[in-house]
Order: sequence, then structure tokens, then C-alpha cells
Amino acid sequence: DAGVIQSPRHEVTEMGQEVTLRCKPISGHDYLFWYRQTMMRGLELLIYFNNNVPIDDSGMPEDRFSAKMPNASFSTLKIQPSEPRDSAVYFCASRTSGRYEQYFGPGTRLTVT
Amino acid sequence: GIQVEQSPPDLILQEGANSTLRCNFSDSVNNLQWFHQNPWGQLINLFYIPSGTKQNGRLSATTVATERYSLLYISSSQTTDSGVYFCAVDQTGANNLFFGTGTRLTVIP
Repeated sequence: DAGVIQSPRHEVTEMGQEVTLRCKPISGHDYLFWYRQTMMRGLELLIYFNNNVPIDDSGMPEDRFSAKMPNASFSTLKIQPSEPRDSAVYFCASRTSGRYEQYFGPGTRLTVT
Repeated sequence: GIQVEQSPPDLILQEGANSTLRCNFSDSVNNLQWFHQNPWGQLINLFYIPSGTKQNGRLSATTVATERYSLLYISSSQTTDSGVYFCAVDQTGANNLFFGTGTRLTVIP
């Protein structure tokens, strides 16, 4: 079975540009999570969805960040406008109801110059 | 909020040695998971273990919820065990995982 798929794997952009990160969860998983990993703050939960509905977005750092899940097999995390402090690795994870283990994608390494 | 402390922060082992990693948490939890982040950055779920003991090959984990700690045992370590081991907990349910700062393990041949 395919795991969580993320694209792109690497993204380099200039400050002020819009960035869109993409995630395809494991088929049949109805929970989807977006995390960010930095040296300073470690791994942080940004937002999670259940059945395509955003449940908790309290970890989203500010209004420049937005996330959507238009269907069960696709989610996006958008940063507009991007800033150098957004540089990080962004992970997507998913799990199925009834089991608590979360499965992570390979991550997207974002560099904002 | 809940505090999660992992020890030791760094560990260097000779291949074949055994090790114990510890995770202390400051409040009761109903979800605890151990992850391994390999040198390429991939996060792999090792155990979901809010209480009790589980084993998977050379790895095993024990959580004593009443005393607020969990242990990850690695036996006969291999170079492929290198990476960072994270403990993550959630107080409210299954979704708001809070990660510790990790233990960086280096296994040398």
C-alpha cells in the first residue's frame, strides 16, 4: 500500500511569494494532520481534519497560513505571503478511526529566502 | 501545557549494544506514541502505547501511566537504528500529539 504522499519534496521560494504544499493521505484514513518541524520549536501540530472538515487549527501560526481538504484524498497547506521564518520541514500525517497510530509522509522542506 | 522530557538527549552506541530511552510527562495522558526519525528525515511510528508493554522485534516499549513515564528498549542495536527517537503524547484524545525534544541515537559499527 502507498503511504502518505507529499509534494513537492523541496521548495525554495522568495519572500512574499505564495507557497502551496500538497498531501495525499493513506487511502481509507479519515484523519489528516499537518505538522511543522524546526530546530527551534521541534515538531508542532498546525491543523487536523476529520472527514475533510477542519477540527482544530489552533496551531496555525497566523493568517498567512491556510489549509484545505476538498476531498478525502487531497489536502493543501498554503502560505501567502511567505516569510523567511516559515522555512521548515512540513509533514502531513494520517490515521484511521479506531486506531491511534499516525503515519507520516516524507515531508516538504521549505526554504524561503 | 503538558511537558514532555526525553533522556538522554544524545546517545552513542557500539553496534550490538542495548539501550533504554526514557520519556517523562508532566500530566496524565491517554495517548502515547514513539516515533523514529531516520537520518533522511522520515518519521516512522514505532508504538502506540498509552499503558503496558509491547514488543516488536528488537524494540520494546513500556509505559507506566500512573508514574508518568515511558521507556523504549532497543536490543542488539544496528547502524540502521540511528536517528532521533521521539515520544509524543496527547491528553485529550488521539489527535493533539505533543512531541518531546527527542533522543538522538548514533550506532557506530
